[in-house]
Amino acid sequence: RKEVEQDPGPFNVPEGATVAFNCTYSNSASQSFFWYRQDCRKEPKLLMSVYSSGNEDGRFTAQLNRASQYISLLIRDSKLSDSATYLCFHRGSTLGRLYFGRGTQLTVWP
Amino acid sequence: NAGVTQTPKFRVLKTGQSMTLLCAQDMNHEYMYWYRQDPGMGLRLIHYSVGEGTTAKGEVPDGYNVSRLKKQNFLLGLESAAPSQTSVYFCASNQAGESSYEQYFGPGTRLTVT
Repeated sequence: RKEVEQDPGPFNVPEGATVAFNCTYSNSASQSFFWYRQDCRKEPKLLMSVYSSGNEDGRFTAQLNRASQYISLLIRDSKLSDSATYLCFHRGSTLGRLYFGRGTQLTVWP
Repeated sequence: NAGVTQTPKFRVLKTGQSMTLLCAQDMNHEYMYWYRQDPGMGLRLIHYSVGEGTTAKGEVPDGYNVSRLKKQNFLLGLESAAPSQTSVYFCASNQAGESSYEQYFGPGTRLTVT
């Protein structure tokens, strides 16, 4: 089983829609969790950290569920500029255990 | 600040040729990383470094070597390129410490091995 499983999509939603992505991980010792955003042919950039208590930043909400070993990203009121690939990332118990999901592609249409 | 820069941006190699990819960061970060990104595979860690003079293997180290002679630079070498090493290579860095885990990425190097 892969360390990180992520639905690649694509997700195609209209402007204003709410969309959610999940990412499951296999190592219960995993430590830090993050969501990155990657635009086409660009480098990944940090979107937000993920905490068990939830983390909200404007229209974006990230959540960690340790019991079920998954993290989620919710985007409300989608904008055209949200179109990108969203990568989940987590760090295991040692520094060398860094894992990215393969990314979920989102397209927001007018 | 330039952040993280990578040289070159594009390269085409023939099988068996060698090359070195250069990563430089001006943020005084302790940790540096090399990833490769392939379609449908996500980013996979090749090698990483926790400080000047130290390197360690990541998830997919075979066929690559690295060196960190200066804190700001992290070099990735391919001694004998193979078509399976066709990929986009990203360098990243971050500050040490549990709470400082945002990785800053360079713009990537697109490598094609024919």
